[in-house]
Formats: sequence, structure tokens, C-alpha cells
Amino acid sequence: NAGVMQNPRHLVRRRGQEARLRCSPMKGHSHVYWYRQLPEEGLKFMVYLQKENIIDESGMPKERFSAEFPKEGPSILRIQQVVRGDSAAYFCASSPLLVRRKETQYFGPGTRLLVL
Amino acid sequence: AQKVTQAQTEISVVEKEDVTLDCVYETRDTTYYLFWYKQPPSGELVFLIRRNSFDEQNEISGRYSWNFQKSTSSFNFTITASQVVDSAVYFCALSEAGRGSTLGRLYFGRGTQLTVWP
Repeated sequence: NAGVMQNPRHLVRRRGQEARLRCSPMKGHSHVYWYRQLPEEGLKFMVYLQKENIIDESGMPKERFSAEFPKEGPSILRIQQVVRGDSAAYFCASSPLLVRRKETQYFGPGTRLLVL
Repeated sequence: AQKVTQAQTEISVVEKEDVTLDCVYETRDTTYYLFWYKQPPSGELVFLIRRNSFDEQNEISGRYSWNFQKSTSSFNFTITASQVVDSAVYFCALSEAGRGSTLGRLYFGRGTQLTVWP
């Protein structure tokens, strides 16, 4: 049973370029969360998605960041016109259809983004 | 205000010592969930345990044990007879389930770096 898959594992971009991070949830999981881990900080929630729906994006920066989870294919976190401050580890987590007593998020290995 | 506080930023112990990692949380919800995750040097996040607010039983899993105290809003994690492989950053996290909360959204503490020396 494959876990949460993220790719690429490492991504290098120059300032002004676009970064696309992909996340395939565990089989049977229909909820995806994205978190960002900045150096010297803990993990911060960014966005929560279900298939074709953004449920909560209150943790997303207002500009340049977007996320989607299409009916088919992985969830995508997109960062346009990257800046050095975007350098961080981006983690995706998935959980099954929410049943209150069974909420556990399982994390992927993360994508380390470095902006030069 | 920080919802999850891990006051210990770094702890060093020698192998076979017991070590306790502290976690204090803050929430107004009566139903919530608490978690511990491990982040080894390789960088991935490994789920360790989930505790529901309505279940105050403490739990033991091998060398790991967790002490949930609602009265002090704490969910501490103890490793008995620590080993070098336990060296990692450990994160405590909270998920709220009240009205108006985003189900499943995790609030993380800043983590405790545990180093176990041989």
C-alpha cells in the first residue's frame, strides 16, 4: 500500500520562475492538505482540498500561490514568480473520508524548494 | 497565540537514558485530537500517535509512552531507554473538531530536536 507520494523531492528555481509541486494521496484518501516548513520554524498549514474543491485556503499567501486537486491526477501546489523567501520544505498530507474518530493525516516525504 | 507549545527546543541524552518531550496545547473546542510526529534527519514526517480528547487513557507502545492530562492541557511523550536511532525532531500537533474549525487542519508546535549520543 503506497504512501503519500510527492515529486519532485528537490526543486531548484531562480527568482521569478514558477514552481509546481505534485502530491498523490494514499489510495482511498480523498482529502489533501499542504503544509510549509520554513527554516527554524514548525510546519504551517496552507490549504485543505478535496477532489475539485478548495475547502480552506486560509493559510495560503494571498498572491502567487494556488492549489488544486482535480478529479483525475495529483494535487498541485503552484508558486508563481518565486522569491527567495519561498525556499522551504513543502509537505503534503492525506487522510481518508473524514470520520470523526478516524482522522489521521499521513505525510509525504516533502519537496525541498530552493530559490536562487 | 500559539495553539501548541513545545518549550524544549533541543534535548541531548546519552543512549539508554529515558527522555520526556513536553507538549502543551490550547483550544476552546471540547472535541479535539492530539498527535505526535517524528522527523528524522532524512526529512520525512512519520506519524507516531493520535489521541482523542474524550479518551484520557495513557498509551504505551514499546519504548514509547504518552501521558495525556486534560487538566493541564498537556500531552507529553516519553522514550524509555533511548537509542541513537531516536535522534530526530519531534512535533506535537493539535486538530480541532468544533464548529467553525477546519476539520483535520493541524496546528504544529515548533518541534523538539532530540539528540541521543552513543
